[in-house]
Amino acid sequence: RKEVEQDPGPFNVPEGATVAFNCTYSNSASQSFFWYRQDCRKEPKLLMSVYSSGNEDGRFTAQLNRASQYISLLIRDSKLSDSATYLCVVIDLSSGTYKYIFGTGTRLKVLA
Amino acid sequence: DAGITQSPRHKVTETGTPVTLRCHQTENHRYMYWYRQDPGHGLRLIHYSYGVKDTDKGEVSDGYSVSRSKTEDFLLTLESATSSQTSVYFCAISEAGGNTGELFFGEGSRLTVL
Repeated sequence: RKEVEQDPGPFNVPEGATVAFNCTYSNSASQSFFWYRQDCRKEPKLLMSVYSSGNEDGRFTAQLNRASQYISLLIRDSKLSDSATYLCVVIDLSSGTYKYIFGTGTRLKVLA
Repeated sequence: DAGITQSPRHKVTETGTPVTLRCHQTENHRYMYWYRQDPGHGLRLIHYSYGVKDTDKGEVSDGYSVSRSKTEDFLLTLESATSSQTSVYFCAISEAGGNTGELFFGEGSRLTVL
């Protein structure tokens, strides 16, 4: 079983829709959580960190549920430019060093 | 943009030949990582380094070795390339140690093993 799991999608949604992605992680010692965005044939880039209390950045909201070991990303009022792959990332500190473990990514396509 | 460059950006080689990919950073970040990305598998960690001469294995380290003799350079070597190592390889750097979590990636190196 992969340490970080995501539904690969694709999620095809119309412009203006609200869409949510979930990600589950298996290592209960995981300390920090993030969402990255990757455009086609490009490198991943940080979208936002995920804090225990939940956090928002414009149209994007991230939530963390430590008890159930899942992370979510909500995108409101989807834009065409939101079309990308969204990667869930967890820091594994079990070896005492910072290992960033990625999920397989969820592909989002926003349709006009 | 973070100062991180990968070379070569594209390489075609034959099975059994050695290949070295180079990652160079100008940010003086402590951590450096090598990932490979394949359809259906996402980004998988190969090896990483947490300081000069300090390296550790990731989840798909078989067939790969790394070296870091100075802060700015992290080399990934395929001693004898196989077709299963055809992939896009990304280098990433991070200062880590905090909750910012920002990994900065290079543009990727596309390797084809025939």
